[in-house]
Amino acid sequence: DTGVSQDPRHKITKRGQNVTFRCDPISEHNRLYWYRQTLGQGPEFLTYFQNEAQLEKSRLLSDRFSAERPKGSFSTLEIQRTEQGDSAMYLCASRGGQANTEAFFGQGTRLTVV
Amino acid sequence: AQSVTQLGSHVSVSEGALVLLRCNYSSSVPPYLFWYVQYPNQGLQLLLKYTTGATLVKGINGFEAEFKKSETSFHLTKPSAHMSDAAEYFCAVSLPPFGNEKLTFGTGTRLTIIP
Repeated sequence: DTGVSQDPRHKITKRGQNVTFRCDPISEHNRLYWYRQTLGQGPEFLTYFQNEAQLEKSRLLSDRFSAERPKGSFSTLEIQRTEQGDSAMYLCASRGGQANTEAFFGQGTRLTVV
Repeated sequence: AQSVTQLGSHVSVSEGALVLLRCNYSSSVPPYLFWYVQYPNQGLQLLLKYTTGATLVKGINGFEAEFKKSETSFHLTKPSAHMSDAAEYFCAVSLPPFGNEKLTFGTGTRLTIIP
């Protein structure tokens, strides 16, 4: 078990380009979360999957953002037509289905839009 | 809806001194409470959590926190600071089971240790 893995760790993109991030959760974890963390702030919830079903999306997740978890394992987060305000750390977390279990975070993908 | 307020965005303590990081929460139902630590350019690591039962919770690296319902607080303490404790600390709240248990974080407290 290597923990939650995120790829890439860093991404620099030009404004208007599309980017896609990948998250590989801990195997057998059926719950997966995406958070966004801007400089000097705490992480903010973006979206939540239970297996392959996306069960909740934050209002922060504009129509330029889309997340998938096609087989209930890894997940992708795509941002279309990136804006400078999208620059942030994108964190993925996973946890098991039992109550009181801990959410494990990946190291994050830092996005810089220039 | 739940929320968390962390008092003090920056805290400095001398090595060997008491560490006290403050967290107050707001929740319409009895919450679950967490403290996470984040080192530069890293993800978050769970220090400790309160769900039910004993209100004094012990975590990793010598940290502990006490859930005080009457004060809606969950302050983090460590008796003796170590240089390796320098990091960003986040208090978080979630609702009990039968929800998605997403975390709502405070804005964080940066802890600096003075040699």
